[in-house]
Amino acid sequence: EDKVVQSPLSLVVHEGDTVTLNCSYEVTNFRSLLWYKQEKKAPTFLFMLTSSGIEKKSGRLSSILDKKELFSILNITATQTGDSAVYLCAVQGGSQGNLIFGKGTKLSVKP
Amino acid sequence: NAGVTQTPKFQVLKTGQSMTLQCAQDMNHNSMYWYRQDPGMGLRLIYYSASEGTTDKGEVPNGYNVSRLNKREFSLRLESAAPSQTSVYFCASSERLLAGEDTQYFGPGTRLTVL
Repeated sequence: EDKVVQSPLSLVVHEGDTVTLNCSYEVTNFRSLLWYKQEKKAPTFLFMLTSSGIEKKSGRLSSILDKKELFSILNITATQTGDSAVYLCAVQGGSQGNLIFGKGTKLSVKP
Repeated sequence: NAGVTQTPKFQVLKTGQSMTLQCAQDMNHNSMYWYRQDPGMGLRLIYYSASEGTTDKGEVPNGYNVSRLNKREFSLRLESAAPSQTSVYFCASSERLLAGEDTQYFGPGTRLTVL
């Protein structure tokens, strides 16, 4: 059965800290891995990763994929209270090529 | 561009009632999706439409039907609502499901409560 596992499930840090969120997967017919940020409403797209070892960056956020070990990490440096959200990892693959979501990591950044 | 829009934002139903959730996208995307999100369960795919004129079951299709009305619109129908269908429902769209790299964009969600 295809699955995506995120860890930790929740995390509390203080402003300025650096955090690393983990996503491991066992998905057949892997095509891509995506990270989303979900605040109060809709998930918003952060990154799509398809190749191992190539870091993607957007401001203080970065992510990398390891297709040999089947995991990805999302790093957030110098965290701010506005980073508080649930971060979702999803893998496109499986028999139908759909997105398979992890349960998310809830990040709380305290002032 | 509004992106992906959903109506209604909130709905309360009694057990056995029916209703249709509406979704529309203005990005000229080919593929559309319906998910439900429950606490501790993540996002689970209910139905999807890879292209206009096609629909397929996802992970949790029981109790739901869908209609791909045209390229822009994809509706989700609950024929006889049950308390287990209390959830937040998200619609999403993407350029083309079967493409190698395909990003999904989400609507704002509908919070449904079934009493």
